[in-house]
This record gives sequence, C-alpha cells and structure tokens, in this order.
Amino acid sequence: DTAVSQTPKYLVTQMGNDKSIKCEQNLGHDTMYWYKQDSKKFLKIMFSYNNKELIINETVPNRFSPKSPDKAHLNLHINSLELGDSAVYFCASSHRGLAGGQETQYFGPGTRLLVL
Amino acid sequence: DQQVKQNSPSLSVQEGRISILNCDYTNSMFDYFLWYKKYPAEGPTFLISISSIKDKNEDGRFTVFLNKSAKHLSLHIVPSQPGDSAVYFCAASRVKTGANNLFFGTGTRLTVIP
Repeated sequence: DTAVSQTPKYLVTQMGNDKSIKCEQNLGHDTMYWYKQDSKKFLKIMFSYNNKELIINETVPNRFSPKSPDKAHLNLHINSLELGDSAVYFCASSHRGLAGGQETQYFGPGTRLLVL
Repeated sequence: DQQVKQNSPSLSVQEGRISILNCDYTNSMFDYFLWYKKYPAEGPTFLISISSIKDKNEDGRFTVFLNKSAKHLSLHIVPSQPGDSAVYFCAASRVKTGANNLFFGTGTRLTVIP
C-alpha cells in the first residue's frame, strides 16, 4: 500500500476554475504538508497541518486553502486558478518534530497541474 | 531569496566511481540538513540527514559532510551504481524553532553511466 497518496495524478483545467487535490497518508503521522514545485524545479513549502491546526502558512495566495477532514487527510483547494498555478504539487507527512528533533517527511507522488 | 542552493544542475559519473553532490545554504539558523532522492513521476524519498552538531554522517554507500563555517554540505556516493541515477535534493530546516518545514535546493540530476 502506498504510504502517501495523491489524487489526481494529472489535472488539466481552464483559468478561473476551482479545483481540489486530495492527499491521504496511512502512516499514522500527525503532521501533513503541501509543497509546490514550479517550472524551475524549486520545491517550496506551502502549508502544514498538525492535529487539524494550521501551523505553517507561507506567503501563498489566499486562493489556496488546505482542508483537513481528519488526521490522515489534507486536501488542497484552489479557487480561481491562474496560469502561474501550473506546477507539480506534492503532499507529505511526518510525525510532529519536537524542538531539537527533525522528523523525516514522506512524500506523495505529486499532482501535475496545468492551467490553460 | 533561495536559501538553499545546488549550483550544479547535473552530474555524470562512471559506475563504480564516487559521486559528489554539493549544496550551499545562506541561513545560519539552519540546524538540520537532509538529502532526498527523486525518480521521475515520483515524490522525493528521504536518503540521509545530518544535524549541525555533527560534521559527518554515514549510511552504507552514502556519506553526508557538513562544513558549517562555509555553509556547505555534500553528499558522497561510493561506489556509484546505475540505480543511483535520479535527481538529488538538498534540504534544510530550523529544528530548534519547533518548525518542521523544509527548505529545498533546486536539485542535481545524477547520471551513473554503466
């Protein structure tokens, strides 16, 4: 079984549409993340959730909103899609890192979003 | 304002030889460093890490070296194998702040030639 899964794997949509990307982890982790990899291959943190609480929110447009129905899921909803949103979006999960300890993050396979 | 940089986008090495991948960072607050390996159409996979209190960590064929004064780390793979061909990402974090988010470099594509 895949530890961190994402759906869909590919998403092609028109500018202005609203879309969601789903992420599920079966590792029993309590923290989940969303990363964006842009055309320059730069992988950047967008959000993380711990116990249903947003603990990191980097400077991303408020058109992006993470939704966590439970500890095993962190979905990414995007409103009014723009051309610049085209990228690969990776979900990840880990145990919550205590100060002084880094917990390994496990990544999903990515969702390739293309906005036309 | 990329805080983690991998200046070599690609590297080719003969099978059996050593592969050395380099990474530089600018933020002196980083205290934990990781290497991830990524195959096409897959997510990054954790490879090896090092805390800032150490200058070397070894795991089988993989060794990571950290030079804090130079804000530089490197990943050594020896001997290199064709299956090592992938994109390698360097990442850093500020563990002591309690945050767990990772700052990634842009990756180096390693090709191991049989």
